Amino acid sequence: DTGVSQDPRHKITKRGQNVTFRCDPISEHNRLYWYRQTLGQGPEFLTYFQNEAQLEKSRLLSDRFSAERPKGSFSTLEIQRTEQGDSAMYLCASSLQGTYGYTFGSGTRLTVV
Amino acid sequence: AQSVTQPDIHITVSEGASLELRCNYSYGATPYLFWYVQSPGQGLQLLLKYFSGDTLVQGIKGFEAEFKRSQSSFNLRKPSVHWSDAAEYFCAVGAKGNEKLTFGTGTRLTIIP
Repeated sequence: DTGVSQDPRHKITKRGQNVTFRCDPISEHNRLYWYRQTLGQGPEFLTYFQNEAQLEKSRLLSDRFSAERPKGSFSTLEIQRTEQGDSAMYLCASSLQGTYGYTFGSGTRLTVV
Repeated sequence: AQSVTQPDIHITVSEGASLELRCNYSYGATPYLFWYVQSPGQGLQLLLKYFSGDTLVQGIKGFEAEFKRSQSSFNLRKPSVHWSDAAEYFCAVGAKGNEKLTFGTGTRLTIIP
């Protein structure tokens, strides 16, 4: 068990560019969550998957954001036409349904310049 | 809607002293409550969780928390802190059947020698 892996750890991008982050959950976990954390705040829920199905999306997730979890394994979070307000830490977590035992990855820190 | 308030943004404690971090929640039904710890540049680690039953919950690293329904509180305690406990602590609330968590804004803990 290698835990939850996120790639890249850091990403600096110019405003207007597209970025994609990857999350590899713990292999036996069927739920995968994306959260966003800005400086001085707690994580805010973005979306979650059960296997390959995206079950809920936050209103925070504008049309520029899209997430996928093909085949119920790894997940990607894409942000199109990035804005400075997108600068944040993007956290991925996984769990077994019903356990409420999130395991978080170390996050991807996005800086939009 | 559920919400969490952590009234203390920053707490400083001497090494070896006792610690109490406050958490108040708002939720209409029986809440599921969690405490997470986040070290700089790292993801969040689950310290303990409360679903039902005994209102005093033991967690990892010598932490405990007490659920008080009458006060809508779930305060985290440790009898004697160690320098390695310096980190950011987040309280979170969830609900049965909905594993999406709502986090507080966090309390930063500083330990002085």
